[in-house]
Amino acid sequence: AQSVTQPDIHITVSEGASLELRCNYSYGATPYLFWYVQSPGQGLQLLLKYFSGDTLVQGIKGFEAEFKRSQSSFNLRKPSVHWSDAAEYFCARKAAGNKLTFGGGTRVLVKP
Amino acid sequence: GAGVSQSPRYKVAKRGQDVALRCDPISGHVSLFWYQQALGQGPEFLTYFQNEAQLDKSGLPSDRFFAERPEGSVSTLKIQRTQQEDSAVYLCASSSRDRSYEQYFGPGTRLTVT
Repeated sequence: AQSVTQPDIHITVSEGASLELRCNYSYGATPYLFWYVQSPGQGLQLLLKYFSGDTLVQGIKGFEAEFKRSQSSFNLRKPSVHWSDAAEYFCARKAAGNKLTFGGGTRVLVKP
Repeated sequence: GAGVSQSPRYKVAKRGQDVALRCDPISGHVSLFWYQQALGQGPEFLTYFQNEAQLDKSGLPSDRFFAERPEGSVSTLKIQRTQQEDSAVYLCASSSRDRSYEQYFGPGTRLTVT
């Protein structure tokens, strides 16, 4: 079955430092990939998506992600994190019928 | 409304009770999805509607779970005879016909079964 793996459960980063969250996906044709953010008590907000074309995609809130087919990865990056970026981040891929398969999430803590 | 809304936001049920969770999708969105998010986990797909048709219910964990969308707008997820393992956040998402793969999520309903 197609799956998504987020190897890091928790990441702690200092405010102003760069952030990279890892995401790997299992086999399949060119996947439709997404990154969502979930703040405490909130639903999921779409940060960015990749379907085809340029492998570096820009999203909201200063985030970007790079699709690397050779590594089956779609890592999320932000050059300088803000305290408000503390949240849980989910990588997802489109499965049959447009449903999404999610990774287990990475919780980001931001130190002042 | 501007986004997907869900009610109630919190629900506490005694084991064995029936519950009904409501989702109001973004106006005009034809597709509606339900997901279950256990504590510390990523969301898992439950079921999918296109208009009023339930096209995929492969993720429903048991026959105690039932979803409907009779007029192709509001949807209700019903759980009969709740069990402790049903405790989770239930998320609803909707998407438009033109961008069916781009799902917009509601805030979720946190269900606690005691």
